[in-house]
Amino acid sequence: TQLLEQSPQFLSIQEGENLTVYCNSSSVFSSLQWYRQEPGEGPVLLVTVVTGGEVKKLKRLTFQFGDARKDSSLHITAAQPGDTGLYLCAGAEAAGNKLTFGGGTRVLVKP
Amino acid sequence: GAVVSQHPSRVICKSGTSVKIECRSLDFQATTMFWYRQFPKQSLMLMATSNEGSKATYEQGVEKDKFLINHASLTLSTLTVTSAHPEDSSFYICSATDGPDEQYFGPGTRLTVT
Repeated sequence: TQLLEQSPQFLSIQEGENLTVYCNSSSVFSSLQWYRQEPGEGPVLLVTVVTGGEVKKLKRLTFQFGDARKDSSLHITAAQPGDTGLYLCAGAEAAGNKLTFGGGTRVLVKP
Repeated sequence: GAVVSQHPSRVICKSGTSVKIECRSLDFQATTMFWYRQFPKQSLMLMATSNEGSKATYEQGVEKDKFLINHASLTLSTLTVTSAHPEDSSFYICSATDGPDEQYFGPGTRLTVT
């Protein structure tokens, strides 16, 4: 069974600060996805990273996939209250498209 | 983008009754659909993988006779919680895919068993 560990579990910061969420595993994934989920809604895909060492930017969000494709990070610059939510990483197995989710990081950005 | 819907969005049922949740892919044909459950302040836990026209594959610890999954067409999968109990109260989320790429998630169904 492939496991993904996310850290921290909870993060509370002031508007304008930066934050980083980590997703680590001892297993190799063919791809890794980051989602954001609002209460009472389904997860919304933010990005998919596929290549080891890949870096993707989405406005103030920067996603990195580790060289060995075992870990990933999400960095938010100058966080805003609208960034508040549950951030989930999910790794796809090499065979098939089954996803393994990390435990999630609850982010609260205070105005 | 690909859209997945779920119905109902919220349901309350009495203990011992069964409830059916529908998951539909609205603008694509989903060869595979997945069912997850999510407890408050926790992550998504995969319950089963459903391929059109074949039996669902259940994750370890998920009772197949309690959580009946039917994937009769390429756009519809249903999850029936049979003989529901209060501990089955949870947020149930489906996702759908038409290939090896991203899964598209539905908005979720909040089930409350009284």
